[in-house]
Amino acid sequence: QQQVKQSPQSLIVQKGGIPIINCAYENTAFDYFPWYQQFPGKGPALLIAIRPDVSEKKEGRFTISFNKSAKQFSLHIMDSQPGDSATYFCAASISNYQLIWGAGTKLIIKP
Amino acid sequence: DAGITQSPRHKVTETGTPVTLRCHQTENHRYMYWYRQDPGHGLRLIHYSYGVKDTDKGEVSDGYSVSRSKTEDFLLTLESATSSQTSVYFCAISRGQGGETQYFGPGTRLLVL
Repeated sequence: QQQVKQSPQSLIVQKGGIPIINCAYENTAFDYFPWYQQFPGKGPALLIAIRPDVSEKKEGRFTISFNKSAKQFSLHIMDSQPGDSATYFCAASISNYQLIWGAGTKLIIKP
Repeated sequence: DAGITQSPRHKVTETGTPVTLRCHQTENHRYMYWYRQDPGHGLRLIHYSYGVKDTDKGEVSDGYSVSRSKTEDFLLTLESATSSQTSVYFCAISRGQGGETQYFGPGTRLLVL
């Protein structure tokens, strides 16, 4: 019940395409859903986050879509660029201090 | 930059030896975390701290201990290192109490031979 399942494990998209990464959860008590971006050799960094009272949040080229009834949320990257190539992690939280992490998606944007 | 440093950044050690990793923050954040990152497993929480001398276990705490004697420092100790503890270790901080964002350090790459 504490798991967050993330798919796909890896994804290759042409420049300008829209990669979509999906996450699913079981615990309806989760109330905070962030996405983190990690470049090789670096720690993860917060990209964008959403709470379950909204269905979509957009920041620049990054959009989170949230489906509360299906217990799923996804990350879309518009007009993807080679610089977006990174590993992306979804996570969920039921408290202010502990995150449950997905396994990560390695994204490659081909020029 | 959340002012987090980790030391050492790389370490090679032998099975059975104790190892201590240090996380240092400069911004007096209340919550500190130790994670390990392994391919296919994402980030797994080892231990976390919610104040000086206040710590609790995460999902993969066996074989690890932590200490926090000062707000700015959070130490992770591998009591007797094993090859299964070869990993990249990340420290993270958060303000807590409405500050859910976790800020990560640069990581420590540990190889246990």
